Amino acid sequence: AQRVTQPEKLLSVFKGAPVELKCNYSYSGSPELFWYVQYSRQRLQLLLRHISRESIKGFTADLNKGETSFHLKKPFAQEEDSAMYYCALYSGSARQLTFGSGTQLTVLP
Amino acid sequence: NAGVTQTPKFQVLKTGQSMTLQCAQDMNHNSMYWYRQDPGMGLRLIYYSASEGTTDKGEVPNGYNVSRLNKREFSLRLESAAPSQTSVYFCASREGLYGYTFGSGTRLTVV
Repeated sequence: AQRVTQPEKLLSVFKGAPVELKCNYSYSGSPELFWYVQYSRQRLQLLLRHISRESIKGFTADLNKGETSFHLKKPFAQEEDSAMYYCALYSGSARQLTFGSGTQLTVLP
Repeated sequence: NAGVTQTPKFQVLKTGQSMTLQCAQDMNHNSMYWYRQDPGMGLRLIYYSASEGTTDKGEVPNGYNVSRLNKREFSLRLESAAPSQTSVYFCASREGLYGYTFGSGTRLTVV
């Protein structure tokens, strides 16, 4: 069965500092990975998907199959980045999206 | 606007009461999902429907039932609410490789 682990429940950084949100996964097949963001009391929004290798709002994430990781990074954090971030893995065989437990990012002024 | 619409946004139930959470999407997606969101536990899948006419259990289906009424609508029913079902419920739909689209959520409190 697939599993997604986000080891940090809370993460605080100062504005302008680099930020990395960790995500590790376990999955026997070829993973399809996503990062979702949820701003305060709003719906989840897709931030990144690994297959597109895009940069959204300055965030990037690289899939490392050797380390089974998909960490989310941003070189210079902004206060508006404060939100809950979820890493998620889609299993084609199970047709399910499995979420990690989330990391609450707070960017301090 | 296109997207996923959930009703109601808030609900308070007494233990043992029943209710149905409604979800509709207008993107012609085949797959629809119900998740619950609890602090420290992320989102956990309750039920999903890969296509109209089919439903399958997710990780935490006990205490819930679902109906895929048509391609647009996927409802979640609590037959006898319990305090452990206090949560935020999200409906989502998916098509292809473009990720999931989520509704705005239903905040349910069972007292």
